Amino acid sequence: EPEVTQTPSHQVTQMGQEVILRCVPISNHLYFYWYRQILGQKVEFLVSFYNNEISEKSEIFDDQFSVERPDGSNFTLKIRSTKLEDSAMYFCASKLAGDTQYFGPGTRLTVL
Amino acid sequence: RKEVEQDPGPFNVPEGATVAFNCTYSNSASQSFFWYRQDCRKEPKLLMSVYSSGNEDGRFTAQLNRASQYISLLIRDSKLSDSATYLCAVNIGGSARQLTFGSGTQLTVLP
Repeated sequence: EPEVTQTPSHQVTQMGQEVILRCVPISNHLYFYWYRQILGQKVEFLVSFYNNEISEKSEIFDDQFSVERPDGSNFTLKIRSTKLEDSAMYFCASKLAGDTQYFGPGTRLTVL
Repeated sequence: RKEVEQDPGPFNVPEGATVAFNCTYSNSASQSFFWYRQDCRKEPKLLMSVYSSGNEDGRFTAQLNRASQYISLLIRDSKLSDSATYLCAVNIGGSARQLTFGSGTQLTVLP
């Protein structure tokens, strides 16, 4: 069964450093998402991407964040200058059409 | 008022029990509804979509009440393996149809 994959599974970085989180969505899917979950809190929407552009973004997704689909398979989330409060699980999700989104296993980001 | 609200629990039930969770949503324009299951430090996994007519998948039954703006999940004959956090998710519209999640309800099934 096809699945969303994410790398790395755990990323540790120093405050102020740039990080890139990578996702490979399910191959024929068209809509791509990033969510995050701070430890002990709910899953929060960050950004959606369709037809090679951002379709919606939340208030969390400020100028420090960017997304890219550099080729036909990868979907990346970049955080330019990480803050302590960026420490969280970051989940990528994708869907073909309709509403059912499939989530990747997540990247645990720890900012020191 | 929170967009999607759930009783955080925890619900501790014996094996074989029936347990029910509710979730309320504030936006009456919400269009689609889901229950996800999340194990500790793992990704949300789709349990079932929720339709107005109600739907059942084995021991799991989901209901939607649009008038009262809530969805429910019923688990019958609970198993130890059902222990997890159950997340309610709502698509409140928008071009991207992103999901808004509740905080989750923690279930522990005891032997």
